[in-house]
Amino acid sequence: EIVLTQSPGTLSLSPGERATLSCRASQSVRNNHLAWYQQKPGQTPRLFIFGASNRATDFPDRFSGSGSGTDFTLTIRRLEPEDFAVYYCQQYGSSPYTFGQGTKLEIK
Amino acid sequence: EVQLLESGGDLVQPGGSLRLSCAASGLTFSNHVMSWVRQSPGKGLEWVSGISETGGDTYYSDSVKGRFTISRDNSKNTLYLQMNSPRAEDTAVYHCVTSNGGKVYACDIWGQGTKVIVSS
Repeated sequence: EIVLTQSPGTLSLSPGERATLSCRASQSVRNNHLAWYQQKPGQTPRLFIFGASNRATDFPDRFSGSGSGTDFTLTIRRLEPEDFAVYYCQQYGSSPYTFGQGTKLEIK
Repeated sequence: EVQLLESGGDLVQPGGSLRLSCAASGLTFSNHVMSWVRQSPGKGLEWVSGISETGGDTYYSDSVKGRFTISRDNSKNTLYLQMNSPRAEDTAVYHCVTSNGGKVYACDIWGQGTKVIVSS
């Protein structure tokens, strides 16, 4: 089983700042099949990055994903108030298709 | 519009059994791999189980392997999760999920979930 470790657990930033979230895999993720999800309170998660770096067409371009193999990064260029949420990474390259434990992005 | 509608969640005793269902509409169900993902109260996401388009291949997390069984009926556009010998730690909202393209186990499309409580 591939274990995904997200860091930090909580990130406290202000609107306008840059956010960098990490997702590290215990083994190489096949085909870089790594996705990022945003979850807001009371909502189901929303996939917005797939294949490590491909952003969903209806998601703001201030979000970008990068990385390969075992190290992946989500960058939010300039935080907007609606960006504060919990972010999860998931690898869907090999079963079981595990999630990371999440990073909570909170307003400082 | 694609819809995934889960049902069957309930209060179940440890060691009992429960079957969850997910009715899919708005997509060609038989062309989509499907998964169950759960979220415990105040906790993170856990991928539980997945099944190929035909049902010929099934996958499980280590935490449920041997206790849960995933299946599907493509004639009814329905996904199932048979939960045997549930434990307190299986308490969660269970979501039926699939991907837009249908061929990978990413989770683009989510149902609203059905709540399972395991308690005596």
